[in-house]
Amino acid sequence: RKEVEQDPGPFNVPEGATVAFNCTYSNSASQSFFWYRQDCRKEPKLLMSVYSSGNEDGRFTAQLNRASQYISLLIRDSKLSDSATYLCVVSPMNTGFQKLVFGTGTRLLVSP
Amino acid sequence: DVKVTQSSRYLVKRTGEKVFLECVQDMDHENMFWYRQDPGLGLRLIYFSYDVKMKEKGDIPEGYSVSREKKERFSLILESASTNQTSMYLCASSLPAPNYGYTFGSGTRLTVV
Repeated sequence: RKEVEQDPGPFNVPEGATVAFNCTYSNSASQSFFWYRQDCRKEPKLLMSVYSSGNEDGRFTAQLNRASQYISLLIRDSKLSDSATYLCVVSPMNTGFQKLVFGTGTRLLVSP
Repeated sequence: DVKVTQSSRYLVKRTGEKVFLECVQDMDHENMFWYRQDPGLGLRLIYFSYDVKMKEKGDIPEGYSVSREKKERFSLILESASTNQTSMYLCASSLPAPNYGYTFGSGTRLTVV
C-alpha cells in the first residue's frame, strides 16, 4: 500500500464550481500535512499546510481527519488559473529524520 | 526572494557519461534533497543531506551519488548515465523540522540518449 494515496483525476470542472480532493495516508503517527500545487513542467510549490482544526486561505480550505487518516482540499469558485496538479504531502514520524512523502497528485482542469 | 537554484533547465547526455546536477540554496537551510519525478510515479527521493558532508540514501539511490561540501550546495552525480535515468530532477531544501515544507528548485529535465 502506498504511504500517500490520491485519485489521479483529472477532475474537469467549469469556472465557478466547487471541487474537493481527498487523500489518504497509511502512517497513523504522521505529524505534518501539506497541499502542494504543481503546474505543468514546473516545480511543486507549497499551497498550504493542513492543521488539525482545519484551516482556510481565501478560496481554499484544508481539513484533516486523523481518525480516518485522510486529508481534504476544497476549492471554491474555481478559476481557470487553478488548473494544476495538487499533491498531498505527509511527514511520517517513524524515522529519526523527518522527511516528506508525496502523493502522486490529483489533476484539476478548470474550463471556461 | 529566497531561492533554490538548479544549474540547468534542460540537459541531454549520452549513455555512459558522468553527469553532474548542481543545486544551490540561499536560505541557510540545513536539509537538502534530490528527487526525480516521472509520470505516474510521482516524486521519488534519491538522496538527502541534513548537514555538510552528511548524506543519506533515499528510496531509489542506485546509480546515483551525491556531494555536499558546503551548506548551500548539494550535487547529484550520475556515475554512468543510462536511458532509464531520463527524468525530471528536482532539488529541494528545508529547515530541520519540515513544518514549513520544502522549497523546490525549478528542476532539470535530463534526457539520456
